[in-house]
Amino acid sequence: LAKTTQPISMDSYEGQEVNITCSHNNIATNDYITWYQQFPSQGPRFIIQGYKTKVTNEVASLFIPADRKSSTLSLPRVSLSDTAVYYCLVGPNYGGSQGNLIFGKGTKLSVKP
Amino acid sequence: GAVVSQHPSRVICKSGTSVKIECRSLDFQATTMFWYRQFPKQSLMLMATSNEGSKATYEQGVEKDKFLINHASLTLSTLTVTSAHPEDSSFYICSAQSTDPTYEQYFGPGTRLTVT
Repeated sequence: LAKTTQPISMDSYEGQEVNITCSHNNIATNDYITWYQQFPSQGPRFIIQGYKTKVTNEVASLFIPADRKSSTLSLPRVSLSDTAVYYCLVGPNYGGSQGNLIFGKGTKLSVKP
Repeated sequence: GAVVSQHPSRVICKSGTSVKIECRSLDFQATTMFWYRQFPKQSLMLMATSNEGSKATYEQGVEKDKFLINHASLTLSTLTVTSAHPEDSSFYICSAQSTDPTYEQYFGPGTRLTVT
């Protein structure tokens, strides 16, 4: 599984757009990129998954450049409730299931009023 | 959406005793379930992969005789921490992989284990 690198922490204010970038230089051809959100003392929650270009759902967008060596999770107009740890995972298989999910250190996002 | 439950949500036990944690997929069948452990301010660490009807596959460094995993049905997997010690105190999270239609993986809410 490709290793990922994310910023350890980020700060933002309510109403701002937040972009969290993840580096995955060794991504394989059949790897997908998935982002999870985790609140303290809760299990991770699936946010979004993509393979290339751009994916958008009701909560976030995922931007993936042509070389796929990085990806950016974009959270529009964050609120205090978006304060959480965000994990970027890279691995094979579509559908959210990537077999043994290997979590990196994640990015702790703090949203301030 | 698919729901995974864990029971108990919190448990305190004395050193030397055993604790069983249940992971259930409530509205879907899961041939594969995963068990993770998370220490404070750290990331999730995969402990083992549990397949229904077969022995679990443990990650390197995880003692299979200490962390007993049983996956007897398509909706239930259990993790038993045997002879628990204070260093086993952690947040244990399971996930269940749906078989239909996209093999998505859904996480449980976690179980906080405190060994005194």
